[in-house]
Parts: sequence; C-alpha cells; structure tokens
Amino acid sequence: NAGVTQTPKFQVLKTGQSMTLQCAQDMNHNSMYWYRQDPGMGLRLIYYSASEGTTDKGEVPNGYNVSRLNKREFSLRLESAAPSQTSVYFCASSAWGGEKLFFGSGTQLSVL
Amino acid sequence: GENVGLHLPTLSVQEGDNSIINCAYSNSASDYFIWYKQESGKGPQFIIDIRSNMDKRQGQRVTVLLNKTVKHLSLQIAATQPGDSAVYFCAENISTGGGADGLTFGKGTHLIIQP
Repeated sequence: NAGVTQTPKFQVLKTGQSMTLQCAQDMNHNSMYWYRQDPGMGLRLIYYSASEGTTDKGEVPNGYNVSRLNKREFSLRLESAAPSQTSVYFCASSAWGGEKLFFGSGTQLSVL
Repeated sequence: GENVGLHLPTLSVQEGDNSIINCAYSNSASDYFIWYKQESGKGPQFIIDIRSNMDKRQGQRVTVLLNKTVKHLSLQIAATQPGDSAVYFCAENISTGGGADGLTFGKGTHLIIQP
C-alpha cells in the first residue's frame, strides 16, 4: 500500500513565486490535512478537509490555499511564497475527523 | 488555545533499558490521545493510541499510560533498541463533536539510544 503520497519531496522557490504541493491517499479516507513542521514548533495545522467538498482553516492558514480535488487528492498552494514559509510540509489523512492520522513523507520547502 | 506539551526535549537511554517519555496536556475536554514516532527525514508514524475511558494500553514493546486526574500521558518503550532513536510526539483530539480539525501535537521529545 502506498498510503499517503506527497510530491515533490524537495523544492526551492524565490520570494514571490507560486507552487502547488500535491497529496494523494489510497486508503479511502474521508478527512485530509496539511501541516507544517518548524524546528521547536512541532506540527501546526494549516488547512483541513473533513470530507470531500469541504475545506477549513487550521491554526496557520495565512498565505496558503487548498483544494480537495476529489476524495483521494488534497493540494496546498502557495500563491506568493515568502521566506517565512520555509518549512517541512506534511499531508495526512484519517478515516474520519478525530481519528488517527496517517502521514506522507513530507516536502522540504525553502523560500529564498 | 490549549496545547499538548512535553516535559523534556531530549531523553538519552542505554540500549536495552526501558524508556519513559512524558507528555502533559491542558485541555480537559480531550478524550483521544496518540503517540507518534518520527525518524529523521520521514513523516510521523503512528505508534499507539488511547481513549479517555482507559488508563493503560499495551502494544508490542510499548505501553501508554493516561492519568486524567493530572492530565498526564506517558509512553513506555521496553528494552530500547537503536531503531527506537527518533522524535516522539504526543497528540490529542476532542473526538466528541466531530473533532474534524485533526490532532494537536506537542513539540516532541528526541530519544537518543546510547550503545
């Protein structure tokens, strides 16, 4: 089983550039999430999608947008990247909200 | 808001000894707790979970203890091995009412295994 697949694994952007992080899960999960992980800050929720067709803001949504393309896919878009968005990004899914999360392997993003 | 936190950022243990990683939570409405293991360069991996109607749950070489009175969670790893070296996160969720916004994570404890 692939589980949760994220692409790309690494990305370097210049300030102001845009990009989309892709995420797909093959576990037929209803809920999907985007977290960012910074040193000493733990994992912080950016956006989540409780079910197909819905998206909601998490703790740190500013500067990001998301799209729940279908039940399998949940993308994260940075419209105008800033150095403060340098981080490791993790996509996760769960059968339902409130259940244990399964994580992808992460995307390491650097904004110069 | 209320967050899950950890007592120690780094824990060093001898190979073969038992490890105990602690976690304090402050949200009394939390009723579901999870421990994750994160190895360098990888995503967090589920270890074990426990609901608030239990005070102990055992897995393979791991035990989670929940003390709701003092809002404390611990992860015990028996006979620690080199492969146990990782950062360990506790996380909480309020499952009643949906809890759709996922888990709230602590900052993590780095477990170092001494040969």
